[in-house]
Amino acid sequence: TQLLEQSPQFLSIQEGENLTVYCNSSSVFSSLQWYRQEPGEGPVLLVTVVTGGEVKKLKRLTFQFGDARKDSSLHITAAQPGDTGLYLCAGAWRGSARQLTFGSGTQLTVLP
Amino acid sequence: EAQVTQNPRYLITVTGKKLTVTCSQNMNHEYMSWYRQDPGLGLRQIYYSMNVEVTDKGDVPEGYKVSRKEKRNFPLILESPSPNQTSLYFCASTRFGTSTGELFFGEGSRLTVL
Repeated sequence: TQLLEQSPQFLSIQEGENLTVYCNSSSVFSSLQWYRQEPGEGPVLLVTVVTGGEVKKLKRLTFQFGDARKDSSLHITAAQPGDTGLYLCAGAWRGSARQLTFGSGTQLTVLP
Repeated sequence: EAQVTQNPRYLITVTGKKLTVTCSQNMNHEYMSWYRQDPGLGLRQIYYSMNVEVTDKGDVPEGYKVSRKEKRNFPLILESPSPNQTSLYFCASTRFGTSTGELFFGEGSRLTVL
């Protein structure tokens, strides 16, 4: 099983602050996804990155895929209480037959 | 509406009493999977299925069984539940054939084994 480290595990910030969540592996990903999960619900896909160095933006969220495709980051600008939730990265490796390995998640709380 | 439906959403049971958590998807997806979610451990895959009658173990299959007799259904069976199987369970599905396909998750089934 490939290991995927996600940090930080918990993050509590004030509304309006910026934050970054990291996802790292010692292996090269074929693709990486970011999901967000709210209480009482299943995870929902935010973005998929495939190409090394790729940057994708989703409103105030910026997703970056490392050049070597071993790491990724999620940056939120001017966080809002509605951003509160569990953020999960999930990586797929070549030959993994569509298996995704999930990170342990980052629980983000944005205080008003 | 495209969805993955799990039942029951909540269940409290006792050690050794067999139970089944059902999962159904209406998107004609080939791939279905079960995960358990525990604090600090993220989502860990229990079993997955790439198509009807094709199932395989994930990372934590011990104590679980699955079957895939129809494309839309993928039940999770706990033959003799134990307290260490207390967890939040998610079923997910996606179209097979792409390595970047979106996983669609159910709303989760919270199981407590006493």
